[in-house]
Amino acid sequence: KNQVEQSPQSLIILEGKNCTLQCNYTVSPFSNLRWYKQDTGRGPVSLTIMTFSENTKSNGRYTATLDADTKQSSLHITASQLSDSASYICVVSANRGGATNKLIFGTGTLLAVQP
Amino acid sequence: DVKVTQSSRYLVKRTGEKVFLECVQDMDHENMFWYRQDPGLGLRLIYFSYDVKMKEKGDIPEGYSVSREKKERFSLILESASTNQTSMYLCASTPGRYTEAFFGQGTRLTVV
Repeated sequence: KNQVEQSPQSLIILEGKNCTLQCNYTVSPFSNLRWYKQDTGRGPVSLTIMTFSENTKSNGRYTATLDADTKQSSLHITASQLSDSASYICVVSANRGGATNKLIFGTGTLLAVQP
Repeated sequence: DVKVTQSSRYLVKRTGEKVFLECVQDMDHENMFWYRQDPGLGLRLIYFSYDVKMKEKGDIPEGYSVSREKKERFSLILESASTNQTSMYLCASTPGRYTEAFFGQGTRLTVV
């Protein structure tokens, strides 16, 4: 069964600190892995997208890593800001053939950055 | 910038009503999706469309239908709203299989 599991479920950190969010997946056949940020009451916004051959990708203070052998990904946030408070969702795309891939969503990690 | 616009941010409907949720994208994307998001369950795919008048069921299509008469517009229809359809509904579009998905701002639907 295709699954995406994220940890921790929630996290509270102080402004300026770093943190790392984890994503483990069992999705086959794998196409790509995406990290999204979702502010409360808003739609998700893409942070990074990585294919099988990429093992790290950065977007400003966000750095995603991918280990396709162990089927693990992490999202590292550096020098956190209050605006980083959001839910972070790991999404794995399965190559299903046909017109479009199937996206399998994790349940997200809720991050709260406190002053 | 790609824009995906959902017609309502908040909606309150009565049990048994027919409900229409509209989604419009302005970037000529082929693929459009409807998801619902519930606490602890993540996003679950209801229906998707890869072309005008083409649709496929997602993981939880029961109680829903969709319409895609024009490329830019994808509508989700709740034939007879029930309280268990109270949820956040998210529309998304992508230009192809290997690209990121762009989401609308979401519609918070409450069925009373």
